[in-house]
Amino acid sequence: RKEVEQDPGPFNVPEGATVAFNCTYSNSASQSFFWYRQDCRKEPKLLMSVYSSGNEDGRFTAQLNRASQYISLLIRDSKLSDSATYLCVVDRSGGSYIPTFGRGTSLIVHP
Amino acid sequence: DTAVSQTPKYLVTQMGNDKSIKCEQNLGHDTMYWYKQDSKKFLKIMFSYNNKELIINETVPNRFSPKSPDKAHLNLHINSLELGDSAVYFCASSSRGKAGPNLNEQFFGPGTRLTVL
Repeated sequence: RKEVEQDPGPFNVPEGATVAFNCTYSNSASQSFFWYRQDCRKEPKLLMSVYSSGNEDGRFTAQLNRASQYISLLIRDSKLSDSATYLCVVDRSGGSYIPTFGRGTSLIVHP
Repeated sequence: DTAVSQTPKYLVTQMGNDKSIKCEQNLGHDTMYWYKQDSKKFLKIMFSYNNKELIINETVPNRFSPKSPDKAHLNLHINSLELGDSAVYFCASSSRGKAGPNLNEQFFGPGTRLTVL
């Protein structure tokens, strides 16, 4: 199993749709989890951290499932501007923090 | 006002040359990183420094040598450039020393697009 795995997509959805991405990780001792967003030819930008109890920021909801070792990102009411690549990041060291990025999931929101 | 800055933004050079990329952050963070993003967009960590001390050193050829003169700067020197070094190199910084919700959240520079001919 790869350290961090994501479905590359692309996920092609209409405006207003709800879309969800998963990201699986291999180290059960991982402590820190994040979702980043990367636009074409730009740097990754933090979208949100993922907390054990799950967390929400506007239209975005992140969840952590330790038993099945995955994190998820739910986007509600998709906007055209949500089109980007979504990268999950997992600390593969179990505490020392060695960030490992997934390959990213591409989202295309169309009118 | 730029939080994490890198220079140069573009670098085109011949095989065999030696080049450096500079990174500076004004966020007061104690940890800085170098990442390589290849043509398949895979973002892979290369090095990390915490308070000027090397803490992460992934399997990177020793032609790559990072240098951190102080907490706010992390430079990357590459010797004997090869075609396979062509990629976008991102610098990032984070706060590792403090606990709390912002721990380890990374801020990235705009990237340096390196092309080796």
